[in-house]
Amino acid sequence: AQSVAQPEDQVNVAEGNPLTVKCTYSVSGNPYLFWYVQYPNRGLQFLLKYITGDNLVKGSYGFEAEFNKSQTSFHLKKPSALVSDSALYFCAVRAPSGGSYIPTFGRGTSLIVHP
Amino acid sequence: GAGVSQTPSNKVTEKGKYVELRCDPISGHTALYWYRQSLGQGPEFLIYFQGTGAADDSGLPNDRFFAVRPEGSVSTLKIQRTERGDSAVYLCASSPGTSGRAIDTQYFGPGTRLTVL
Repeated sequence: AQSVAQPEDQVNVAEGNPLTVKCTYSVSGNPYLFWYVQYPNRGLQFLLKYITGDNLVKGSYGFEAEFNKSQTSFHLKKPSALVSDSALYFCAVRAPSGGSYIPTFGRGTSLIVHP
Repeated sequence: GAGVSQTPSNKVTEKGKYVELRCDPISGHTALYWYRQSLGQGPEFLIYFQGTGAADDSGLPNDRFFAVRPEGSVSTLKIQRTERGDSAVYLCASSPGTSGRAIDTQYFGPGTRLTVL
């Protein structure tokens, strides 16, 4: 069975500082990994995904994520946080083959960026 | 173009009642997913449609939950004899379904907040 862990319920960072939101996964075979952001009373919005190739993936709004196979991690990063980045962030994993490719989501991490 | 839309945005019902939640996917998207999101949790898979057929309904919690997509576009999630534990945000997502299902990006609607009193 596939699973995702987001070990931090909440991450606090000052505006202008770099941010990291952690994600580790478990899946059979090579994973497909996704990050989504959820603003209050809104649906999930796609940020970026890793399928294959370069381990550093760049996405929307200046976010990037680094795939680390040996550590089974896919941490979300941004060099300089904005107050408007404050939201819920969800990591998701999908198995590359077999079944119906249903993604498994983590519990989410609340990012709070302080002015 | 328009994104995924869901109606109603909020639904309050009484225990034991029947509810229907509607999802309008992005035009042309063949894959459609329903999820349930409880407070403090990530989306939990319920059912997946490819076209008109339910390709995977393994996430439906029991036989009170049912979903249809008769023409391969709009989908309706139906919940019979609602219980207080059904209270959650129900999310719908669609994806093109053309580039390989595992790598398809899912586009989510804003959700329907269901409250069962």
